[in-house]
Amino acid sequence: QVHLVQSGAELKKPGSSVRVSCKVSGGTLANIAISWVRQAPGQGLEWIGGVIPMLNRTNYAPNFQDKLTISADESSTTVFMELTSLRSDDTALYYCALEIEGSPTRFDPWGQGSLITVSS
Amino acid sequence: QSALTQPASVSGSPGQSITISCSGTNSDIGDYNFVSWYQQNGGTIPKLIIYEVNKRPSGVSDRFSGSKSGNTASLTISGLQPEDEADYYCCSYAGSEIFVVFGGGTKLTIL
Repeated sequence: QVHLVQSGAELKKPGSSVRVSCKVSGGTLANIAISWVRQAPGQGLEWIGGVIPMLNRTNYAPNFQDKLTISADESSTTVFMELTSLRSDDTALYYCALEIEGSPTRFDPWGQGSLITVSS
Repeated sequence: QSALTQPASVSGSPGQSITISCSGTNSDIGDYNFVSWYQQNGGTIPKLIIYEVNKRPSGVSDRFSGSKSGNTASLTISGLQPEDEADYYCCSYAGSEIFVVFGGGTKLTIL
């Protein structure tokens, strides 16, 4: 069974960058996509972007085109998310989620979440 | 403001049925049969309960069902149980420029 394990919580200064990892254990990156979804404190879910490692294709939500980079390392079955120019409103729990190829929005399973706090 | 519109809250008594609506446009819900629903209890990891409009993952109770009509998707929970009290989010594919949109979430309260 596939599990997603994310890196830990981070405290960042405004204007800095953060890199979050998501390791896919119990499977490979073939025939899957990995999406990133964030949830600000007390708020709803927001899809920010995703990657299809086998096709080396990334997709970003329009508001994140200029500040988000998603990459994948097939050898370590790990996907990375880098968010730049951090602001206080980027404070959120960031989840990675597996998506079966051919079934968009079918996110299952999810990682445990990585809390990113942006504060001076 | 979320791309998909859900009621902020719904409530029901144990044993009753409730329906949560999710309103989109002809660029997302209306154009694709890729609508999913997620249940989230008290800040825990979201759980997939419906995908591709009306399919249930293995292990999800058949009390949960999904449907779609035009630009609106719906989640129906029958035979409400106390453990159903949670936040519910709809999600839709929205094409090759927007990709994925979520609703703002609906808080279900069991009376």
